[in-house]
Amino acid sequence: DTGVSQDPRHKITKRGQNVTFRCDPISEHNRLYWYRQTLGQGPEFLTYFQNEAQLEKSRLLSDRFSAERPKGSFSTLEIQRTEQGDSAMYLCASSPGGGSNSPLHFGNGTRLTVT
Amino acid sequence: EDQVTQSPEALRLQEGESSSLNCSYTVSGLRGLFWYRQDPGKGPEFLFTLYSAGEEKEKERLKATLTKKESFLHITAPKPEDSATYLCAVPRYNQGGKLIFGQGTELSVKP
Repeated sequence: DTGVSQDPRHKITKRGQNVTFRCDPISEHNRLYWYRQTLGQGPEFLTYFQNEAQLEKSRLLSDRFSAERPKGSFSTLEIQRTEQGDSAMYLCASSPGGGSNSPLHFGNGTRLTVT
Repeated sequence: EDQVTQSPEALRLQEGESSSLNCSYTVSGLRGLFWYRQDPGKGPEFLFTLYSAGEEKEKERLKATLTKKESFLHITAPKPEDSATYLCAVPRYNQGGKLIFGQGTELSVKP
């Protein structure tokens, strides 16, 4: 079963450091999404890609955040100069596209702890 | 503003005690409502999509229903393995896969 894969599963970093997360979507899914989830809350949309094009970014995505999806395959999410408020679960999801009715398939996330 | 609200926030049941979870939504032009299950430390796992009022979907002990204002997830004779957080989400109108999630209902089923 080649589901959505995320790496690393856990990341502990010190405030001010840069971190990068990777997501490998389900093959042939052309849409890829990043969400952030804090304890006791539902996931919040950050950004999404249609193939290699980044089509939308949430206001939650400050200038310290950048996401890429080179060649429309895997994606990376980088956070520069991390802050304690960045501590959360970062979830990646993919879908085959075809409109907003396609369910998103999520990976198991990267849990970031900023100390 | 588009919004999704789930209730209750937490629900404790005894094994075999049926109940329902509620998901209320306000969104322009509903284009489906999704239910997900999330286990601790894992990502959400897709359960159902409902597209129109009156529609019902079933999977094992779970049945999801949809009206014009809310959705219910009915759990019949739950087992401890049904313990998880259940999330509902709706797509924001005409904005691709940008889902608006509720805060979830944490279900605990005791043997």
